Amino acid sequence: KAGVTQTPRYLIKTRGQQVTLSCSPISGHRSVSWYQQTPGQGLQFLFEYFSETQRNKGNFPGRFSGRQFSNSRSEMNVSTLELGDSALYLCASSLAGGYSGNTIYFGEGSWLTVV
Amino acid sequence: GENVEQHPSTLSVQEGDSAVIKCTYSDSASNYFPWYKQELGKGPQLIIDIRSNVGEKKDQRIAVTLNKTAKHFSLHITETQPEDSAVYFCAASPERFGNEKLTFGTGTRLTIIP
Repeated sequence: KAGVTQTPRYLIKTRGQQVTLSCSPISGHRSVSWYQQTPGQGLQFLFEYFSETQRNKGNFPGRFSGRQFSNSRSEMNVSTLELGDSALYLCASSLAGGYSGNTIYFGEGSWLTVV
Repeated sequence: GENVEQHPSTLSVQEGDSAVIKCTYSDSASNYFPWYKQELGKGPQLIIDIRSNVGEKKDQRIAVTLNKTAKHFSLHITETQPEDSAVYFCAASPERFGNEKLTFGTGTRLTIIP
């Protein structure tokens, strides 16, 4: 069974540009979450999608957005990139759906460097 | 919101000895507590988790204990091996429908000394 797949793995962008990251969840998983990991702030929750709807949102500016498609695949977008957006962006997926034991699995991440 | 504190930030143990990492949380509604291992250049890998209806869970050399009254949980690794060297993160989440959000601790860098 394939795990959570993220693309691209590495990318370099210039300040002011925008970037789109893609995530394919584990087959059958309906919830997709995004996290930002930096040395200074650690792992921080960005947002979570379930059935194409954003259910939860972390404390990030509106430049960070996402969406989920009908096949549960998800994308996140960061507009007007800043140097501080350089980070490892992690996608996670889970079955979701109540008190069923929602184990959350992470992908390998997308390394974004803003120059 | 939830706040998770994790200690120590670094830990070095001799191969074969045990390692213990401790976390405390603040939100009494949290009832799901996973532990992740992250190796250099990789995403976090789930190694064990525990839910609030259980006080202890064990999987081979790894065990987790939970004290809901004191709001703390711990990871125990016995008979440590060089491949256990990594950064370990604890996390907490209120596992009710509609909330898949994990709040992470700040991580523990574990080094196993051969």
